[in-house]
Amino acid sequence: NAGVTQTPKFQVLKTGQSMTLQCAQDMNHNSMYWYRQDPGMGLRLIYYSASEGTTDKGEVPNGYNVSRLNKREFSLRLESAAPSQTSVYFCASRGGHYGYTFGSGTRLTVV
Amino acid sequence: KQEVTQIPAALSVPEGENLVLNCSFTDSAIYNLQWFRQDPGKGLTSLLLIQSSQREQTSGRLNASLDKSSGRSTLYIAASQPGDSATYLCAVRRGLYNFNKFYFGSGTKLNVKP
Repeated sequence: NAGVTQTPKFQVLKTGQSMTLQCAQDMNHNSMYWYRQDPGMGLRLIYYSASEGTTDKGEVPNGYNVSRLNKREFSLRLESAAPSQTSVYFCASRGGHYGYTFGSGTRLTVV
Repeated sequence: KQEVTQIPAALSVPEGENLVLNCSFTDSAIYNLQWFRQDPGKGLTSLLLIQSSQREQTSGRLNASLDKSSGRSTLYIAASQPGDSATYLCAVRRGLYNFNKFYFGSGTKLNVKP
């Protein structure tokens, strides 16, 4: 099925560990996004990529890095995980005049 | 900065009732508005997308309207069913080339009782 695929679905990290969240879309969309969702905070934009080869900071970029590997793939890296990064992470893509398509999310717990 | 508000935060209705969810935004200069559904522990599923030039969109039992001048959108759900229970979010896009300018409301949690 066409859409946005995120891996892994669940992850537990120890403070200070690093990891990369993977995201791929097969809809030929130019724009891709990483959001985090926390109770009472709603969805907050971490980073986005307007097109292949470009990335920009969103609302809450501290502690994260991203790579737009190609048009399909946009990864999010936590270099040194902190408990404050415990959240649900969503990748999304968008093409042209259309709206967002979201992945199913990654539940990350940092202990 | 665009602010998006959804009221009520939670709603509980008996099955079969028609209901309206509200989304308000402070800046009327929007490109489009999108309604999503989120089931517990799941991602967001797009329901309807309304371009700024449109007044409403319909999909099955769902109808979304947009009034830019008053900064409001409503999602109408006809003949509600228990399967409609979920959190409904609206998102407003700032402009065609403002790639990061999507603003989300905090959602309305709907419970449809059998």
